[in-house]
Amino acid sequence: GQNIDQPTEMTATEGAIVQINCTYQTSGFNGLFWYQQHAGEAPTFLSYNVLDGLEEKGRFSSFLSRSKGYSYLLLKELQMKDSASYLCAVSHKAAGNKLTFGGGTRVLVKP
Amino acid sequence: DTEVTQTPKHLVMGMTNKKSLKCEQHMGHRAMYWYKQKAKKPPELMFVYSYEKLSINESVPSRFSPECPNSSLLNLHLHALQPEDSALYLCASSPNVEPWGGYTFGSGTRLTVV
Repeated sequence: GQNIDQPTEMTATEGAIVQINCTYQTSGFNGLFWYQQHAGEAPTFLSYNVLDGLEEKGRFSSFLSRSKGYSYLLLKELQMKDSASYLCAVSHKAAGNKLTFGGGTRVLVKP
Repeated sequence: DTEVTQTPKHLVMGMTNKKSLKCEQHMGHRAMYWYKQKAKKPPELMFVYSYEKLSINESVPSRFSPECPNSSLLNLHLHALQPEDSALYLCASSPNVEPWGGYTFGSGTRLTVV
């Protein structure tokens, strides 16, 4: 089976940096995704890592270590609109390339 | 067109009703998915269609019946639902099942069963 763990909630100040960690155990790993989801809305794609290392995209960066089963999402220069849930999701080399989501981390940005 | 469109956005139905959720994409994606999301929980996979054929059914009760009439459309037929089926139902698509191409989600249908 698959086991994906991430913290339930984090609080940070506007303009600061927050790092959301995600650990996973899975067979047939085929990539790790980060999604942002505002309350009542659909998830929106943030990043995708399939090889080890750091992927940077503007204020958001994502890191992957396959040997450690570990990823993090780094949010820099936090803005109030970044208050949302951040979902770590793992893709499996099963038929259909299933995407299994972690429980999500609610990030609250305070002024 | 880079969107996945879901209708309706909100649906309230009784336990004896029959209704359908619709999902449409015009990005040429050949894989489409139904996910169910309860409040403050992550999305959970229900069904995967690949090239209009059902490839994964995550042991979903038969009161949920998916249908893929063509490569752009995905329906979810609902019959005799229970109140615990109330949730946000998300449709997603991806360019292909193999090789991996990433998901695009629709905005969801918020379903309430009364």
